[in-house]
Amino acid sequence: DAGVTQSPTHLIKTRGQQVTLRCSPKSGHDTVSWYQQALGQGPQFIFQYYEEEERQRGNFPDRFSGHQYPNYSSELNVNALLLGDSALYLCASTRRVLSYNEQFFGPGTRLTVL
Amino acid sequence: AQSVAQPEDQVNVAEGNPLTVKCTYSVSGNPYLFWYVQYPNRGLQFLLKYITGDNLVKGSYGFEAEFNKSQTSFHLKKPSALVSDSALYFCAVRDFAPSGTYKYIFGTGTRLKVLA
Repeated sequence: DAGVTQSPTHLIKTRGQQVTLRCSPKSGHDTVSWYQQALGQGPQFIFQYYEEEERQRGNFPDRFSGHQYPNYSSELNVNALLLGDSALYLCASTRRVLSYNEQFFGPGTRLTVL
Repeated sequence: AQSVAQPEDQVNVAEGNPLTVKCTYSVSGNPYLFWYVQYPNRGLQFLLKYITGDNLVKGSYGFEAEFNKSQTSFHLKKPSALVSDSALYFCAVRDFAPSGTYKYIFGTGTRLKVLA
């Protein structure tokens, strides 16, 4: 049973560019959340998708946007990259957003903005 | 607003000794608390959770956590530490929105170093 997968593993971009990160949830999961983990800090919630809609959003600017597909996979898009966007981006999945199940995290995508 | 605090940036313990990683919480209502571990260049791995029930929660890899309502704490423990337990540990609380959706709020993390 495959867990949460993310691609790519690493990514290097320059300021002003745009980036797309991808996530496939664990089999049977239908809810995907994205977190940003800056160096030396805990993960910060970006947003959550369920039934192809953004259900909840953290304190991140509109440059951060997302999408969920009918197969539950998800994308995180960041426009106009800033140096401060350099971080590990984690995707987490769970079954049904209203359940008491724990979230399972992927290995993350390390984004470096130069 | 819900929050968790991890007062120690780093904890050092000798192999074979018991370990404790501290976490305190501030929530309105009943807390839903979690512990995750992160190894270098890896994502977060679930260790255990407290939703309701017994105050002593047993989790993966021999870890357990004690929920203390009066002290608003949820400390992670293990009776005998292994060198392989060396990693970054995060305490988290589930923050419910009025719609019923939720997100996790994480602490700043505690680096555990087990010395051989």
